[in-house]
Order: sequence, then structure tokens, then C-alpha cells
Amino acid sequence: EIVLTQFPGTLSLSPGERATLSCRASQTVNGDYLAWYQQKPVQAPRLLIYATSTRPTGIPDRFTGSGSGTDFTLTISGLEPEDSAVYYCQQVGGSPPWTFGQGTKVELK
Amino acid sequence: QGQLQQSGPGLVKPSQTLSLTCAISGESVSSHGASWNWIRQSPSRGLEWLGRTYYRSQWYYQYAESVKGRITVNPDTSKNQFSLQLNSVTPEDTAVYYCVRGNYHFDYWGQGTLVTVSS
Repeated sequence: EIVLTQFPGTLSLSPGERATLSCRASQTVNGDYLAWYQQKPVQAPRLLIYATSTRPTGIPDRFTGSGSGTDFTLTISGLEPEDSAVYYCQQVGGSPPWTFGQGTKVELK
Repeated sequence: QGQLQQSGPGLVKPSQTLSLTCAISGESVSSHGASWNWIRQSPSRGLEWLGRTYYRSQWYYQYAESVKGRITVNPDTSKNQFSLQLNSVTPEDTAVYYCVRGNYHFDYWGQGTLVTVSS
């Protein structure tokens, strides 16, 4: 099973600043199968990025994904108040289980 | 693509079976392009993928080792839905359960059902 470790646990930033969220895998992950999600309280997670760097339709371009191998990054440029949420990375390996990181909470001051 | 609407009880007694259903609109459960998953979320275990079913000329099933032997995910083509059954539940199975569409990433999620295991 591939374990995903996210850091930092919490980011406290001001609107307009840049947030850099990291996700480290215990084994190499195929970049086609690394995704990021945003979850707000009492809501289901929402897909933000898939295949490391692809945004689904409707996701603002201030969300950018990058990385390869075992290290992946989600960058949020120009934080907006509505970006307060918990962010999860997720991988799909050659065989189940598909796993998630434990999450990074982004708080806006 | 579609929307997912979950239904099922929010309270299950220990040792009994948890049963949830996910109705799909806008896409067929038999679509060759999709997989139909169950994922749960709890404070202690985080987001945990449980299992999935998908159709590629025949039906396939995959389950997480953590629940294998207790879990069944079944499609129902007549109602265009799929279901989750989790047997012999304990308080550790208390969580929000989501039905989710996706192969390599999860793009459509149901609204979530909080299931509490308690007598």
C-alpha cells in the first residue's frame, strides 16, 4: 500500500498570498494517477487537480499542481477567502487500495 | 456526466449489516468509461477507499484489504444504481460514507451519509 504524507498540517495565510502544499509518497507514483481534492466543512471532497497538473472544467487557474516520482505539490496563487478548506492528495497505484493523504488545512487570516 | 444520490439508514447496530444505495443520473452504471466506488471518512481513519465495481464487457469488483470478506459492492442495472453492504459492523465502522464515480481520480461524489454503529 502506498502511503501519502502531507505537510504542513496547517497553513495560516492572508488573502492574496501563495499557499504551497506538499504530498510525499512512500513509493513512486505514476503522475497520471495523482490527484488533489478540496473539502469544506460538511461537504464532500471536490476534485481540484488530476494527473498531477490537469484542472477539471470550472476549477480556477490559481490552483496549480506539479511534481513527479514521490514528491508532488499543490500551489494556490492569490488566496481567496473561499479557499479556506482541507486539501487532500490521492493516488491510484497498480493495485488497490487507492489511498489519500491525511490532509492539509488552509486557514485564511 | 451524472449525479449521485445516496440513501440508507444512519444507524446500524453492532454485528449487523450496513447497507447503502447510490442512484446514478446522467450516466449508465454499465458505462465502459466509469467505475463506481465507495469511500468513507472518519476522524480516526481519514478518507478510506473501500471498494468499487465497473463494467468492461463483464462486471469487475475490487475491495480494500481492510474490509475484504465483509464488503460487497453490487451494480443494479434495472435501477441504474449500485450498493454497498458491509457485514459484521463494529463502532470502528462509524463514518461518513460516500458513493463516488471515478477510475483514477474521483470526479463525482454523492452527498455523504453519516452511519453510526451503536446499540
